[in-house]
Amino acid sequence: AQSVAQPEDQVNVAEGNPLTVKCTYSVSGNPYLFWYVQYPNRGLQFLLKYITGDNLVKGSYGFEAEFNKSQTSFHLKKPSALVSDSALYFCAVRDADDYKLSFGAGTTVTVRA
Amino acid sequence: SAVISQKPSRDICQRGTSLTIQCQVDSQVTMMFWYRQQPGQSLTLIATANQGSEATYESGFVIDKFPISRPNLTFSTLTVSNMSPEDSSIYLCTLREAGRSTEAFFGQGTRLTVV
Repeated sequence: AQSVAQPEDQVNVAEGNPLTVKCTYSVSGNPYLFWYVQYPNRGLQFLLKYITGDNLVKGSYGFEAEFNKSQTSFHLKKPSALVSDSALYFCAVRDADDYKLSFGAGTTVTVRA
Repeated sequence: SAVISQKPSRDICQRGTSLTIQCQVDSQVTMMFWYRQQPGQSLTLIATANQGSEATYESGFVIDKFPISRPNLTFSTLTVSNMSPEDSSIYLCTLREAGRSTEAFFGQGTRLTVV
């Protein structure tokens, strides 16, 4: 079985401040980890992924995420948030040998000007 | 990456009726999936659409309620049958491009409201 936990329903930050969205996971095999963003009335957009290699991965729009195997975490970060980053963020995981994605509950990010 | 077109983008339907959602991809893909996102909830996998054979449904989802077709490698449909207000959700088509990427790509989704 696999699962994802996003412990925060909402994250509020001021523009220009660092943004962190937390994610922890559970999977039986090797994890493939993903972050997606959903803007209002839009589909899901892929941000970044961890498959193997460097634990720090960089993605779209200045986002990055750090894979921590010992803590089974994959937190999303952005050094300087923009108002346009306000959206719903989903962390997802699947086993490397499987195709089924499991999603977290989502975290609503609000960046105030 | 493949481009996914989903129709309709939104609909308001009467309870007891059925709605068929179409998903068209601009290239041949190995795997296509259907997800549901209920209001304020995360995404839940409904089924895997298999080309040329019956779909594989996840626990809690049945073929009579959510019949799926996949006649070829670029097209799939999901029907929501005998709808009730509890079926009001966003339905998303997604795919994986075998051998080229590991992430899933999503269509824009269909926002369904059942009244």
